Amino acid sequence: AAGVIQSPRHLIKEKRETATLKCYPIPRHDTVYWYQQGPGQDPQFLISFYEKMQSDKGSIPDRFSAQQFSDYHSELNMSSLELGDSALYFCASNTRGFYEQYFGPGTRLTVT
Amino acid sequence: DAKTTQPTSMDCAEGRAANLPCNHSTISGNEYVYWYRQIHSQGPQYIIHGLKNNETNEMASLIITEDRKSSTLILPHATLRDTAVYYCIVRVDFGNEKLTFGTGTRLTIIP
Repeated sequence: AAGVIQSPRHLIKEKRETATLKCYPIPRHDTVYWYQQGPGQDPQFLISFYEKMQSDKGSIPDRFSAQQFSDYHSELNMSSLELGDSALYFCASNTRGFYEQYFGPGTRLTVT
Repeated sequence: DAKTTQPTSMDCAEGRAANLPCNHSTISGNEYVYWYRQIHSQGPQYIIHGLKNNETNEMASLIITEDRKSSTLILPHATLRDTAVYYCIVRVDFGNEKLTFGTGTRLTIIP
């Protein structure tokens, strides 16, 4: 069965650079969620989209922005990167009304 | 969403049942109990959820106390591949709600 695809899987950036993470949800899923997991920490919700509209927002820094496109894929844009942005970034998807969120393999971002 | 409390870590012998407790004493009547797990740095994986009745699927069983203030996730025959961090999450269930991960239980299956 198709799973959530995230790209790239690994990304190394320097401080003050920008990064773009991509998420391709499972086909026919209309909702995408982004989570951040710092080293040794638990996943924290960043933002979600339903039918290309932002549906919920967590503790996402103002330096970050995201959107969902007409094909339902989503991109998380991160600017002015800081060392503390080094983390695993997970994308999850589901169909509105369905209880389970399906997670992708994550993108490991390292900021040096 | 109601707060949950779980043991920081647990060990279980391979082949035995792993029983993972979760306390959610402030749970509201419309909140469900969800369990997810995360195997080392992989994306979290849904296990099971329930409202007030006990639930069972191919992965696990969920036992919720009658007052709904606590629950237990049971992995009936633990294998080494069940070594993971297990998260108990309480939330209302409109189908597109975020997951709020607390500090889960690190379960280690011992050969």
